[in-house]
Amino acid sequence: DSGVTQTPKHLITATGQRVTLRCSPRSGDLSVYWYQQSLDQGLQFLIQYYNGEERAKGNILERFSAQQFPDLHSELNLSSLELGDSALYFCASSVAGGTGINSPLHFGNGTRLTVT
Amino acid sequence: GQNIDQPTEMTATEGAIVQINCTYQTSGFNGLFWYQQHAGEAPTFLSYNVLDGLEEKGRFSSFLSRSKGYSYLLLKELQMKDSASYLCAVSDRGSTLGRLYFGRGTQLTVWP
Repeated sequence: DSGVTQTPKHLITATGQRVTLRCSPRSGDLSVYWYQQSLDQGLQFLIQYYNGEERAKGNILERFSAQQFPDLHSELNLSSLELGDSALYFCASSVAGGTGINSPLHFGNGTRLTVT
Repeated sequence: GQNIDQPTEMTATEGAIVQINCTYQTSGFNGLFWYQQHAGEAPTFLSYNVLDGLEEKGRFSSFLSRSKGYSYLLLKELQMKDSASYLCAVSDRGSTLGRLYFGRGTQLTVWP
């Protein structure tokens, strides 16, 4: 158990809808990262927050947004959903703002999103 | 940009040794990670290299050559439970930025 909690585990919704994915980092970790994993793309970095502020942005669509709250949990909002958004969405956390031997990423078990 | 390449699939038998290679091209380099991911589960951290050379951790070792943009993960005394996808990931900027760029993973199947 990595200590990173993601809810829900599974989500099935229709095109055009909006969903919210939730992540609680490991106790003491200040950074939260969101990744998307699809069969043809592998793990794609979406966005990173550190202590409540956006730190780095990757290939995140404008239809997607995220935030990190004062208690350090994070939410990823996906709107105007398309079939191609079906994927596993992972949250990861690390103790520092960067990654290294003392601060590897620890991943949650993911949310499997299916858009029909 | 980032370009990380690793083989798609590998097979090996129980008790054997397997080497999974990874080559990368990044705009800056701040370390290379190996993760293990069983199907449908979270990736778990295996190893980290930032300097050239070999890092050994039990049955798993990881090697890095920064000049060649090359790393490998060596798994010894393979067990059935080692069947999983192995992900090579590179941190591309200074340590103040934490994002990792992942390869597509190498699916390892261990046969009895």
